[in-house]
Amino acid sequence: QKEVEQNSGPLSVPEGAIASLNCTYSDRVSQSFFWYRQYSGKSPELIMSIYSNGDKEDGRFTAQLNKASQYVSLLIRDSQPSDSATYLCAVNLYSGGGADGLTFGKGTHLIIQP
Amino acid sequence: DAGVIQSPRHEVTEMGQEVTLRCKPISGHDYLFWYRQTMMRGLELLIYFNNNVPIDDSGMPEDRFSAKMPNASFSTLKIQPSEPRDSAVYFCASSLERTSYNEQFFGPGTRLTVL
Repeated sequence: QKEVEQNSGPLSVPEGAIASLNCTYSDRVSQSFFWYRQYSGKSPELIMSIYSNGDKEDGRFTAQLNKASQYVSLLIRDSQPSDSATYLCAVNLYSGGGADGLTFGKGTHLIIQP
Repeated sequence: DAGVIQSPRHEVTEMGQEVTLRCKPISGHDYLFWYRQTMMRGLELLIYFNNNVPIDDSGMPEDRFSAKMPNASFSTLKIQPSEPRDSAVYFCASSLERTSYNEQFFGPGTRLTVL
């Protein structure tokens, strides 16, 4: 049974600081990992994907993956009030033989304080 | 390019009625997923299709739920008969397998309320 765990928050961060969001997963064979941002009343929006151990940077966002520890994180630099949202961590078992549905965490509610 | 399209955006119905939700995936995508989101259970996979063929329906909660994909550009999720506990937001997502590792893109969702 694949499980994805996130701290529900709320996580409150002052504007301009670094927001750090964490996620652990239970399935050792999970191959790909995603961070989605969801504003209240809206659909999940893909913001980062990562497949290999280490860091992946895209603008103000950095995803970090440690498969040995079954841990994935998202760093948001220079946090802005518009970053206030729920961040969903998702994992996918993808072995090259076909895709699979995503297993989502419950999400972390992030609040950026002006 | 148009993203995933879902209709209706809101649906209010009475217990026992049939509900049909519709989805048009991103053109060219070969995977289509149906998810349900509630406060209690979060976002859960219901069923997914590859090239219009259902691959895994183990997330469908009961026989009252059924899904079809008659062609590459259209899918339906039907609930018959509906119950109040089916109230949730239903999302459709699509992906293209040959791109990086199945990045899935979500539609705007259908908010279903069963009275």
